[in-house]
Amino acid sequence: DGGITQSPKYLFRKEGQNVTLSCEQNLNHDAMYWYRQDPGQGLRLIYYSQIVNDFQKGDIAEGYSVSREKKESFPLTVTSAQKNPTAFYLCASSIGGEPQHFGDGTRLSIL
Amino acid sequence: AQSVSQHNHHVILSEAASLELGCNYSYGGTVNLFWYVQYPGQHLQLLLKYFSGDPLVKGIKGFEAEFIKSKFSFNLRKPSVQWSDTAEYFCAVTPSGGYNKLIFGAGTRLAVHP
Repeated sequence: DGGITQSPKYLFRKEGQNVTLSCEQNLNHDAMYWYRQDPGQGLRLIYYSQIVNDFQKGDIAEGYSVSREKKESFPLTVTSAQKNPTAFYLCASSIGGEPQHFGDGTRLSIL
Repeated sequence: AQSVSQHNHHVILSEAASLELGCNYSYGGTVNLFWYVQYPGQHLQLLLKYFSGDPLVKGIKGFEAEFIKSKFSFNLRKPSVQWSDTAEYFCAVTPSGGYNKLIFGAGTRLAVHP
């Protein structure tokens, strides 16, 4: 089945560490997105990419980095500069004018 | 700045009750509107969408939403809820033709009691 795979499902980070969240899609979608979900705040856009080797900052990009070397993959790195990284991270993809499809998410916690 | 406001953060209903979840957005241009649902332990799924045409749109599982342009609203309705509708519901908006800037509301947690 086509879809979006996010891994790992749960991730723990020590203070000062960078961690990378994986997002892979086999939907042949051009655009990919990363959102952060916090209780009572809905989803906020971190980064998005409309084509390979290109990406733009969303509303809360500080402390995060991404790469888009392949169409299928859009990994998100949460750097030590992100002061409040504990959250639920959602990856999404879309093509053309169609709505975004979402992965199951990764829950990141700080030890 | 564009924003989406969902009026109810928590809603508790009994089965067979009618549901209406409010959603208002602030954006001056033409928009596309969405309702997504997140069932416990599952990923976000599209319930319904409005791009243009008939302002009353029907989605999956008996949900519908009405776009009222003059009120900048896109309220979600269901005439009779079921226990399985227990979930979190998100309203989202994007400028027409631009899927790179989905703006989400804060979400509404719906609990349906048998």
